[in-house]
Amino acid sequence: NAGVTQTPKFQVLKTGQSMTLQCAQDMNHNSMYWYRQDPGMGLRLIYYSASEGTTDKGEVPNGYNVSRLNKREFSLRLESAAPSQTSVYFCASSPSQGAGSNSPLHFGNGTRLTVT
Amino acid sequence: EDKVVQSPLSLVVHEGDTVTLNCSYEVTNFRSLLWYKQEKKAPTFLFMLTSSGIEKKSGRLSSILDKKELFSILNITATQTGDSAVYLCVRMKTSYDKVIFGPGTSLSVIP
Repeated sequence: NAGVTQTPKFQVLKTGQSMTLQCAQDMNHNSMYWYRQDPGMGLRLIYYSASEGTTDKGEVPNGYNVSRLNKREFSLRLESAAPSQTSVYFCASSPSQGAGSNSPLHFGNGTRLTVT
Repeated sequence: EDKVVQSPLSLVVHEGDTVTLNCSYEVTNFRSLLWYKQEKKAPTFLFMLTSSGIEKKSGRLSSILDKKELFSILNITATQTGDSAVYLCVRMKTSYDKVIFGPGTSLSVIP
C-alpha cells in the first residue's frame, strides 16, 4: 500500500539549475498539494490541484511551477533554483477539496533539497 | 494575521510522564482542527476535531477542542520513547488552500 510516493528523497542543486520533483498517489484522490517545510515556520502551501486539470497558487508559489499530469501525478518544477528554496518538500493528497470535505491530508515522505 | 500558535515549541520528558501540547488559533471560517505526528518523514494523521468539548481518543493519546476559547490540546499519557516526534496542529478553513499549519511542538521522550 504505497499511498503517496515522492522522488527523489534527496537532491543537491547549484544556484540556477532546474529540477522536477515527482509525486504520485495510488489512492484515487482528487486533490493534490505541494508544501515546503522550513524550521520554525510550519508547512506552507506552494501549489495545489483541486482536481485533474486544475492547478492554483498557494501561499508561496514564486519560483515554482506545477503540472497535474493525470489524476495520480502532480509534479513540482524549479526552473532556476535559488538558495532560498533549500527546504524539505512534501507532496500530499486528499479525496476532495472544498467546503464539503473533512478528509485529512495524506503526505509523502518528503524531498530534502539543498541549493548551494 | 491568520495563524496557528503552538506551545511549547519543544519539550523534553521522561518515559512515563504525561504531556499536554497546546494549540491556539485565530478564527475566520473555521472548519476543523487536525493534529499530526511527524517523525523523520511524512506527517501522519492523528485526530480531526470539529465539535467543541468532544474528546477524541486513540490509545494513550487524546485531544479536545474549545471553539469558544479558540484552542485545542493534545494529551499523551504514559509517554514512550516512540512518542518522540514533532506534533503539528493544523487549522482548516473552508478549503485546503486555507489550511494553516502551526510550527509544531518537538517532543523528546528520554528513557
